[in-house]
Amino acid sequence: GAGVSQSPSNKVTEKGKDVELRCDPISGHTALYWYRQRLGQGLEFLIYFQGNSAPDKSGLPSDRFSAERTGESVSTLTIQRTQQEDSAVYLCASSLGGTGGEKLFFGSGTQLSVL
Amino acid sequence: DQQVKQNSPSLSVQEGRISILNCDYTNSMFDYFLWYKKYPAEGPTFLISISSIKDKNEDGRFTVFLNKSAKHLSLHIVPSQPGDSAVYFCAAKAAGNKLTFGGGTRVLVKP
Repeated sequence: GAGVSQSPSNKVTEKGKDVELRCDPISGHTALYWYRQRLGQGLEFLIYFQGNSAPDKSGLPSDRFSAERTGESVSTLTIQRTQQEDSAVYLCASSLGGTGGEKLFFGSGTQLSVL
Repeated sequence: DQQVKQNSPSLSVQEGRISILNCDYTNSMFDYFLWYKKYPAEGPTFLISISSIKDKNEDGRFTVFLNKSAKHLSLHIVPSQPGDSAVYFCAAKAAGNKLTFGGGTRVLVKP
């Protein structure tokens, strides 16, 4: 596809369950980012993958959050033992990396609701 | 610690007039600044950017101004159109390409 694709678009889960969110970046983009947007707030950085470098996990809020990326393609964000405060829109973005890589292209996000 | 702040959560402007959105930052290591626009149920889309070596960048109806000494940037939209109604996010980057975003400003352009 032409853009960043995220699935599912909506996820409703019960507190304590694990969830897995998926992101397909734009082909050829070496950098991939996960951000979170809580209701009425700005975008909160979670994690950043750049090529084969070790990911920047500095934004992950707790050890219940983890993410993986397969080569330079699909990424999954996993939240274990979900809590109500995890409810948010989870946005994935990709970029070329390097010069010009600061222009991120975002997917439409996954709306996560934890009941 | 909010390194990028947009102090106005909302802005209402008449169609055809100028919209001015403001953004302040605290990290002097930021070297590139961007504005993103977001419609409901969609991801943010890139609008315009500016390098820290410049003080102005213009693209059609959109102009971004950077005042490094004040650690302040602004986005001017002129003339404003109803389709500009959206949430606008200011973002900044230091080394690497990780962006730090502000909290957003909701713009409503009234016909």
